[in-house]
Amino acid sequence: QSALTQPRSVSGSPGQSVTISCTGTSSDVGFYDYVSWYQQHPGKAPTLLIFDVTRRPSGAPDRFSGSKSGNTASLTISGLQPEDEADYYCCSYTVTDSWVFGGGTKVTVL
Amino acid sequence: EVQLVESGGGLVKPGGSLRLSCAASGFFFSNAWMSWVRQAPGKGLEWVGRIKSKIDGGAIYYAEPVKGRFTVSRDDSKSLLYLEMNSLKTEDTAVYYCTTEGHDSCGSAWGQGTLVTVSS
Repeated sequence: QSALTQPRSVSGSPGQSVTISCTGTSSDVGFYDYVSWYQQHPGKAPTLLIFDVTRRPSGAPDRFSGSKSGNTASLTISGLQPEDEADYYCCSYTVTDSWVFGGGTKVTVL
Repeated sequence: EVQLVESGGGLVKPGGSLRLSCAASGFFFSNAWMSWVRQAPGKGLEWVGRIKSKIDGGAIYYAEPVKGRFTVSRDDSKSLLYLEMNSLKTEDTAVYYCTTEGHDSCGSAWGQGTLVTVSS
């Protein structure tokens, strides 16, 4: 199972919106609505931001939103905050009953 | 509060073995589907393996790079998840996290991770 494709980095100024894409195949992202997104600050464990493509767990800020079209899922951060500077990963269920992660995207707040 | 605490990491020579444990609390472990995820130094997250709850069949699945070398198991009486790692390679060097597969995700909760270093 190949890793999902994410841009290596994205950047934006405080208050701006940024979108991170996550491209898979018809065997993972395109097949299931089980796409989740994670935020990871340096030296810390990842935390869940979005699950089931669009849903936020309790405690996740509402400036984070998810969507999906075909084989590509997206995470949008609306109103970028300095504390949003971190690495972001997508994850999808696959037809082989396994999980696959994206390569990760570094978000820089300018 | 959901808590996952990994242990058992350390330095091991190539070809060696190690067993990681993950102590779970704050949720009904027996019903949980659990995963192991690793992160090599400076690299991204990589799913390693998963185990369903016994009530849901207890099936176990592995990523290709570890198939045949790693074994995921669980002890529901002790709320413990295990990762038995054999024939270790230098490329297995990573922080290993255990996760709960809540919310249809590969990790609704994560432990703090335990570092495994494979080096001669």
